[in-house]
Amino acid sequence: DVKVTQSSRYLVKRTGEKVFLECVQDMDHENMFWYRQDPGLGLRLIYFSYDVKMKEKGDIPEGYSVSREKKERFSLILESASTNQTSMYLCASSLLGAGAFFGQGTRLTVV
Amino acid sequence: AQSVTQLDSQVPVFEEAPVELRCNYSSSVSVYLFWYVQYPNQGLQLLLKYLSGSTLVKGINGFEAEFNKSQTSFHLRKPSVHISDTAEYFCAVISERGAQKLVFGQGTRLTINP
Repeated sequence: DVKVTQSSRYLVKRTGEKVFLECVQDMDHENMFWYRQDPGLGLRLIYFSYDVKMKEKGDIPEGYSVSREKKERFSLILESASTNQTSMYLCASSLLGAGAFFGQGTRLTVV
Repeated sequence: AQSVTQLDSQVPVFEEAPVELRCNYSSSVSVYLFWYVQYPNQGLQLLLKYLSGSTLVKGINGFEAEFNKSQTSFHLRKPSVHISDTAEYFCAVISERGAQKLVFGQGTRLTINP
């Protein structure tokens, strides 16, 4: 089975902190994604990556950046956390046609 | 660019009744389509997918969906629901080629009443 692992289930950070969310997949998938999930808004794409060092902005990239130095690892960075970035963050990896496989999510609270 | 609209934010039904969750998409290129389910306090898991071929696809837990290209729809159905089907359901689309951006709808919360 494909496994997508997010480094933390719960995180509490202070406003202005730099925050790193890590995601690792074990199936050699080219594509990896970061979403945030908020009630009533579904999953909104922040960034995605289709290869090492390649990235594209999703629908809501402002305030975020990403890093993909190795194929299996895709990191989401909040340069200066703000309270409106409190959310559930979901990482996924995919092989085209097979659908995406999701991690368990990281619930981030910014205080 | 692709987009997905799930027409109902909440759907309440009685146990053993049939259900349909509606999904419409927009894309200028050919796409693959997916339905995902998220049970309370859990991650998302794939229910079913349409890649090509037969327009009626069957998934896990007795769900099925029908791809309608002319109406750009991919509605999810189950003939008889159970309490355990209570969950949030997401429709998603990805283009067959080019930038493989996986886009989701807003979700439909399915509540099963006894």
